Formats: sequence, C-alpha cells, structure tokens
Amino acid sequence: QVQLQESGPGLVKPSETLSLTCIVSGGSVSSGSYYWSWIRQPPGKGLEWIGYIYYSGSTNYNPSLKSRVSISVDTSKNQFSLKLSSVTAADTAVYFCARFHMKWLDAFDIWGQGTMVTVSS
Amino acid sequence: DIQMTQSPSSLSASVGDRVTITCRASQSISSYLNWYQQKPGKAPKLLIYAASSLQSGVPSRFSGSGSGTDFTLTITSLQPEDFATYYCQQIYSIWTFGQGTKVEIK
Repeated sequence: QVQLQESGPGLVKPSETLSLTCIVSGGSVSSGSYYWSWIRQPPGKGLEWIGYIYYSGSTNYNPSLKSRVSISVDTSKNQFSLKLSSVTAADTAVYFCARFHMKWLDAFDIWGQGTMVTVSS
Repeated sequence: DIQMTQSPSSLSASVGDRVTITCRASQSISSYLNWYQQKPGKAPKLLIYAASSLQSGVPSRFSGSGSGTDFTLTITSLQPEDFATYYCQQIYSIWTFGQGTKVEIK
C-alpha cells in the first residue's frame, strides 16, 4: 500500500522560501507510471495544482506559480520536494503531495494527509 | 487557463436522496475530467476518472457522465458518509479544479 507523508516547517516568514518534502513508502518514486505532484488549499478555499515531477527529473509547473516554484526528486531517498520562494500571506495553505497515475487513470489516486503552512512574521 | 465552474456551490439533501452536481468547462476538455470527494480535515479522494469511470473501491451509487464542456456527478442514494465537498478537475491543459460543491445534511 503506497503512502505519502508531507514534512516541513509549519510557519514561514514573509519573503522567505517554503520547503516541504514528501516521503513515499510502499512504492517507488522511480516508477515510470506516475507524476509526483504538489497541490495546495488555502483555508476554506478550493484546490490549486502547483506542479509535478517525473522520476527522471522533468517538471511541469502551474504558470501562475512557475517563477517561484521548484520541485525536485531524490530517488535514493524515495522522496520529492517543493520549494516556493518569496512567500506572502497568500501562500498560507494546506499543502498536499499526491501521486498522479498517468498510465490509465490520469488522476490523483493517492494523496498525503496534508500539512498546514502559515506565512507570518 | 481553462476555468471549471461547479453548480451548485452548496446543497442540502437527505439520506436516500438523489444528488446531481454539475461541472462546466470554459472550453472543450473531451473526457479529461475527474471527480474527488473531500471530507473536513482530510485529503481529497478520487471517485471518478475520465468523466465516467468509477475508481476501484468506490460505491456504485456514484456515477459520472458528460464530455466536451458539461459534466455531471450523480449520487443515486445519498448515504451519511457522503456528506462532503466534491471537486471536479480537468487535466486537458494546465490542471485546474472547480471551486467545489458542499453537500450538507438537510
């Protein structure tokens, strides 16, 4: 049973960089069938896709965040990470990592539990 | 970006009711449409993929239909565990979600 677990600071200061890691267990981040993704949800609001990475390192980002986002993968540790720079209060949200099944589902089939990140001084 | 508009934004229903949620895309997305259920404090759960295919383990009272710009999620007999917020998601281009439909107890 594949499981995803987000980790990282729950509080980030304005203008600094938000950094989160998603640890994959029960499966391999090196599988060619998945995109490993980040999605966020501001309090009381809807879902926003941030971007994804393939095990090879190729990435795709939401254009609205592209200038500030970087997603990387560490196959040796079976995890992938998110960096979001120059954060403001608008980046306060629950951040989810998720697996996008690209072979026949074309959907997010496994999600982490989510981690709340607050941007505040 | 393709905009996804769900209606209604919220609804009140009783156990046993038939519930229909609509999702409209700002341009044609073929059948590149998924539906998720989210309960408070939890991650979303995949219900329907490719507009009408039921994800493994999801009860058959859930169904999806549509193609192009208009899509529907139907719950044929609402159960207590179905009270949640439902999101559509398009994967035709830059992935975007609808704003959500909250299903509440009447």
